[in-house]
Amino acid sequence: DTEVTQTPKHLVMGMTNKKSLKCEQHMGHRAMYWYKQKAKKPPELMFVYSYEKLSINESVPSRFSPECPNSSLLNLHLHALQPEDSALYLCASSQASPGTPRGDTQYFGPGTRLTVL
Amino acid sequence: AQTVTQSQPEMSVQEAETVTLSCTYDTSESDYYLFWYKQPPSRQMILVIRREAYKQQNATENRFSVNFQKAAKSFSLKISDSQLGDAAMYFCAYRSAVGGIGGSNYKLTFGKGTLLTVNP
Repeated sequence: DTEVTQTPKHLVMGMTNKKSLKCEQHMGHRAMYWYKQKAKKPPELMFVYSYEKLSINESVPSRFSPECPNSSLLNLHLHALQPEDSALYLCASSQASPGTPRGDTQYFGPGTRLTVL
Repeated sequence: AQTVTQSQPEMSVQEAETVTLSCTYDTSESDYYLFWYKQPPSRQMILVIRREAYKQQNATENRFSVNFQKAAKSFSLKISDSQLGDAAMYFCAYRSAVGGIGGSNYKLTFGKGTLLTVNP
C-alpha cells in the first residue's frame, strides 16, 4: 500500500480565514513533506518533517504553519493568506532511513487545490 | 546546487508508438537517485520509475524504461506502446541531501516538466 491521503480536495478561503490542510499515511514512513505547486510548474518544497520534528523550512512565510501530531499525520495551518498563495498543495512521505527498501522514494498524495479570494 | 533540465516543454506521440523524454542534470555527487514522476490531469504525482546512480542495470517498469548515461548526466525516459492513459505532465527529479535536524534529510529537485499528448 503506497497511499497518501489529503483532505480536503478543494478549499476556497478569504484572506482573513483560518483553515487547515490534512495529510495522512499508514506506510510507516517517518519523513513527511509539504510542497506547493503553481499551475504548469514543478512542485516546490515547503517543509520536511523527520520523526515528527520539523527538519526543513524552506523560508516559508509564517502564515503557513505546519504541524505533525503523530507519525501518520501532517497538517498545514493557514492564516491570513494572500491571493498569490492559491496553488495545489501536495503532501508526500518517505522512509526517513534511505537504506531501507525504497527508502529513497517519496510517495505523493492527490493534493488540495487552494483558492484564496 | 543540483539542477534538472527538461528541454522539451511539450511532446506528442501516436498511440502504440514509442516516445523518449529527455532529462539532464548537474551534480557533483557520486551517488544519487533519479526519478520520473507522472502527473495526469487528476493532479496526483505518480512514481513511474527510479534509478540509483551506482547500479549497473537500467531500470524498467513494464512499458517504461530509462536510458541512464552517468558521464553525460542524462536520464531519459522511454515509453513504448504509448497508451491514451499515458497523457500527462512528466517530471524528472533528482534527490539531494539537505541539512536539518534528525539525520539525513532529502529533497527532490524537479525539472520544469514535459507535457505529453497521446494522439489516437
